[in-house]
Amino acid sequence: AQSVTQLGSHVSVSEGALVLLRCNYSSSVPPYLFWYVQYPNQGLQLLLKYTSAATLVKGINGFEAEFKKSETSFHLTKPSAHMSDAAEYFCASNTGNQFYFGTGTSLTVIP
Amino acid sequence: NAGVMQNPRHLVRRRGQEARLRCSPMKGHSHVYWYRQLPEEGLKFMVYLQKENIIDESGMPKERFSAEFPKEGPSILRIQQVVRGDSAAYFCASSRTGKQDQPQHFGDGTRLSIL
Repeated sequence: AQSVTQLGSHVSVSEGALVLLRCNYSSSVPPYLFWYVQYPNQGLQLLLKYTSAATLVKGINGFEAEFKKSETSFHLTKPSAHMSDAAEYFCASNTGNQFYFGTGTSLTVIP
Repeated sequence: NAGVMQNPRHLVRRRGQEARLRCSPMKGHSHVYWYRQLPEEGLKFMVYLQKENIIDESGMPKERFSAEFPKEGPSILRIQQVVRGDSAAYFCASSRTGKQDQPQHFGDGTRLSIL
């Protein structure tokens, strides 16, 4: 069965500090992987996607993620957190008709 | 606005009533997906439709829930005889081709409250 696991339902960082949000996948075949961000009362917005072209993927708003097959991970990072980054972040995988979403990580940015 | 449009944004129903949630996909997209999100949880897949066809409904409850995507007009998620447990945010997403490497584009959701 395919799934993604997000470690840490809540992450707090200081403004300007490194952001690291963890995502591990389980799949019998390499999946397509995505990170989405959700702001309050809104839908999900695509940050970036991995489709096997390159292991380091750059997305919008300064985020990037690295696909590591040996660790079955696809962690999301940003060198310097901004107050506007405070939101819910979801990792998702797709090897078929449907997306499988993690349970989300709520990011708090402390001024 | 060329994004995925969902309406209404908020819907209140009493137990036993019917709820109809609408979704218009992005222009040029013919693949529609419905998800349900409960507080503090991720999105759970419900159903995947292409114009006039249900492709995958493995996430749909067996009773009271149905979905359609007619040739003309929006996709409809219908919940009959609603119960308190149906209270959730329901999100629609669309994609152009339905292929695995294609991202899904999401609407802002319909928040359903059951009194």
